[in-house]
Amino acid sequence: DAKTTQPNSMESNEEEPVHLPCNHSTISGTDYIHWYRQLPSQGPEYVIHGLTSNVNNRMASLAIAEDRKSSTLILHRATLRDAAVYYCILRAINTDKLIFGTGTRLQVFP
Amino acid sequence: ETGVTQTPRHLVMGMTNKKSLKCEQHLGHNAMYWYKQSAKKPLELMFVYSLEERVENNSVPSRFSPECPNSSHLFLHLHTLQPEDSALYLCASSQDQSGATEAFFGQGTRLTVV
Repeated sequence: DAKTTQPNSMESNEEEPVHLPCNHSTISGTDYIHWYRQLPSQGPEYVIHGLTSNVNNRMASLAIAEDRKSSTLILHRATLRDAAVYYCILRAINTDKLIFGTGTRLQVFP
Repeated sequence: ETGVTQTPRHLVMGMTNKKSLKCEQHLGHNAMYWYKQSAKKPLELMFVYSLEERVENNSVPSRFSPECPNSSHLFLHLHTLQPEDSALYLCASSQDQSGATEAFFGQGTRLTVV
């Protein structure tokens, strides 16, 4: 499985935008880029996913580099509730696996 | 609320006990997963079921025994566990095994083995 690299932790102030980076230099052409987050004492929650084009939904935006070797999850206005561990995961088109790494712990300050 | 329900939410069991964890989804999904999350460790994929057939078993000890009687229900039967098996056990489901589909997770069962 192709691997991803994320910073261990990041900090943000409330109501500021947050850009969470992910490197995936060994991504293959059929790998989707998925983002999940895990709030304290809860199961992971799907955030967004994409293949080549940038994606937007009600939770976040996903910016994918042209060569697909990196991506950035964008939270447009961080809230205290966004404090969580964010996981960037590659998932092949025909795989049954969703493999989690260590993720980025995001702290949001008032 | 994700549509994936796990019971019980908390479980304390002795090393000689037998217990079962239950996961239920009525999302019409065809793939279901068990994960283990130990303290300060990433989620570990344990088992994957697709259309009620086990398609993945990540070298999990036999004291963990999964069962998928139908596409809506998934069980994890536990027997003669060890204290190091104490962890958060998470169930997930997805429409299918395709990388294009997202997974939905339950809240997990917090298991303590004493």
